[in-house]
Amino acid sequence: DIQMTQSPSAMSASVGDRVTITCRASQGINNHLAWFQQKPGKVPKRLIYSSSSLQSGVPSRFSGSRSGTEFTLTISSLQLEDFATYYCLQHDGYPITFGQGTRLEI
Amino acid sequence: EVQLVESGGGLVQPGGSLRLSCAASGFNFGSYWMAWVRQAPGKGLEWVGNIKQDGSEEHYVASVRGRFTISRDNAKNSLYLQMNSLSAEDTAVYYCVRRYCGGSTCDSGGDFEYWGQGTLVSVSS
Repeated sequence: DIQMTQSPSAMSASVGDRVTITCRASQGINNHLAWFQQKPGKVPKRLIYSSSSLQSGVPSRFSGSRSGTEFTLTISSLQLEDFATYYCLQHDGYPITFGQGTRLEI
Repeated sequence: EVQLVESGGGLVQPGGSLRLSCAASGFNFGSYWMAWVRQAPGKGLEWVGNIKQDGSEEHYVASVRGRFTISRDNAKNSLYLQMNSLSAEDTAVYYCVRRYCGGSTCDSGGDFEYWGQGTLVSVSS
């Protein structure tokens, strides 16, 4: 099974901060990685797909990148509405796996 | 507009069965891999399983394999999840998901592009 190690599990930040969240895959997954945002009681929202493609309608302050088996979600300047939990997802092999999540708090 | 509407959730006793349905609209249902994802209360997201466009291929997470079955009826634009031998560990919100189809991912299935609102399954005596 492909393990996705997401870090940090939680973090505090302020409006305007630059934030990075990382997912490391236990083996190569090509660009088969997506990022999701979830707010309490809400449905997960797709932010990034194919490791770096921005979902239509998502603000450009969100970006994704890859270096080997390490994938990064960057929020360039945090806004109040960005405080949420973020998950990575690998769909390169079965079982499909999510990262453990990163809770981003004010 | 893509819409996925789950139904069939509820309270069930341990060892019991439940069948979830997902009604899809706004797209050509038969052209997409479909999946189920669940989220236990206060926990992270877990992929449950998925099914290919024509129903010829299914995959499941190990913890549900042999107990859960995914099926689809393309004529009715519907996805199903039959859940048997339920335990407390299956308590979760279950989401119906349309997998992304673009370029080469249409054959193998892409990531999780569209999500339903979810239906809650509670397993308790």
